[in-house]
Amino acid sequence: QKEVEQDPGPLSVPEGAIVSLNCTYSNSAFQYFMWYRQYSRKGPELLMYTYSSGNKEDGRFTAQVDKSSKYISLFIRDSQPSDSATYLCAMSVDSNYQLIWGAGTKLIIKP
Amino acid sequence: EAGVTQFPSHSVIEKGQTVTLRCDPISGHDNLYWYRRVMGKEIKFLLHFVKESKQDESGMPNNRFLAERTGGTYSTLKVQPAELEDSGVYFCASSQEFRTEQFFGPGTRLTVL
Repeated sequence: QKEVEQDPGPLSVPEGAIVSLNCTYSNSAFQYFMWYRQYSRKGPELLMYTYSSGNKEDGRFTAQVDKSSKYISLFIRDSQPSDSATYLCAMSVDSNYQLIWGAGTKLIIKP
Repeated sequence: EAGVTQFPSHSVIEKGQTVTLRCDPISGHDNLYWYRRVMGKEIKFLLHFVKESKQDESGMPNNRFLAERTGGTYSTLKVQPAELEDSGVYFCASSQEFRTEQFFGPGTRLTVL
């Protein structure tokens, strides 16, 4: 069993829709949770970072962490074609420590 | 402020040859990480430097891989001799001390024929 599970998609939605992306994990020691966005042939770009449980909002993006269910989510409101990319979740047990990655979900926003 | 840079962007070599990848972290970032993504798989951790010291090299696949970080600045990752299964995208990331956020470079795409 993988430590982090993420549906690879692709997930296709119309422009303006609310997008929900999710990851589940098995290691209860994870404390740091990140979402990265990756465009084709580029490196991962950090979108959101959350420590422990709770919600965090940044513009159109909201990250949620439910440690009791070992489940994290990323919501994108008012989705735009420019949001089309692969979204990767990553987790760590400590700061300055290796990240454990999900497979990434390919998101397509149709104009 | 310049981001993480990697060189080359793409390398094609034959099995048995040697390749050296270079990473320049964000200035002032003591932590430097190497990761690799093999086609169809998740990104996997290779190793972690704190300044010039190897903090964690538990992800290095075998002794054909050698990583160095001279003077705590840039880092190199050498693969010698390269095998077919070494093909993939090699990412470098850096972070500040006591900060979890890791910032990634564009990656080096390695193809071993």
